[in-house]
Amino acid sequence: GNSVTQMEGPVTLSEEAFLTINCTYTATGYPSLFWYVQYPGEGLQLLLKATKADDKGSNKGFEATYRKETTSFHLEKGSVQVSDSAVYFCALSSGSARQLTFGSGTQLTVLP
Amino acid sequence: DTEVTQTPKHLVMGMTNKKSLKCEQHMGHRAMYWYKQKAKKPPELMFVYSYEKLSINESVPSRFSPECPNSSLLNLHLHALQPEDSALYLCASSQSPTPGAYNEQFFGPGTRLTVL
Repeated sequence: GNSVTQMEGPVTLSEEAFLTINCTYTATGYPSLFWYVQYPGEGLQLLLKATKADDKGSNKGFEATYRKETTSFHLEKGSVQVSDSAVYFCALSSGSARQLTFGSGTQLTVLP
Repeated sequence: DTEVTQTPKHLVMGMTNKKSLKCEQHMGHRAMYWYKQKAKKPPELMFVYSYEKLSINESVPSRFSPECPNSSLLNLHLHALQPEDSALYLCASSQSPTPGAYNEQFFGPGTRLTVL
């Protein structure tokens, strides 16, 4: 079956630090990969996506590259801000039903 | 309009009450979803509607009853809930769950449900 493994949180960084949140996956076929972000008290927002191997998704300074050889989709940002504090979910969509499989989520706190 | 709206934002109900959650989208999406999310956990899929027909029920108790009156609306009817059903209920939509599509889902802000 499909599964997504994210690095354990919580992650606490100072403003302007470099961020990496690791995500690896197991899937049948050729999954599409997503990062969703959930700010406190809100629903999920799609942050970025990649639909095939070697694609790079990017948005708001965040990037992630679809690596088929390592089955990974790590999230990176060069300089985080306090406003980036949120929970980040890695997810994949695969199979005939194309349902989303989520990782456990990583809580990020950025301190001023 | 690239938004999924949900009402109400907050709901408190007793175990004998009947209430409904509402979700609406005007993106022309033909797949709509209900998720349940407990604190500090990822969303758990409850139901999927595809072209207004229920296509997936993830063994959800019958006290949760979904309804899709048309392609833009999705309801979740609640009856005789338990305190452990307290959670954030999220609605989402996507273009269609056809094989080969990457099925980007757009989420609403959720309804925070408390069952007393």
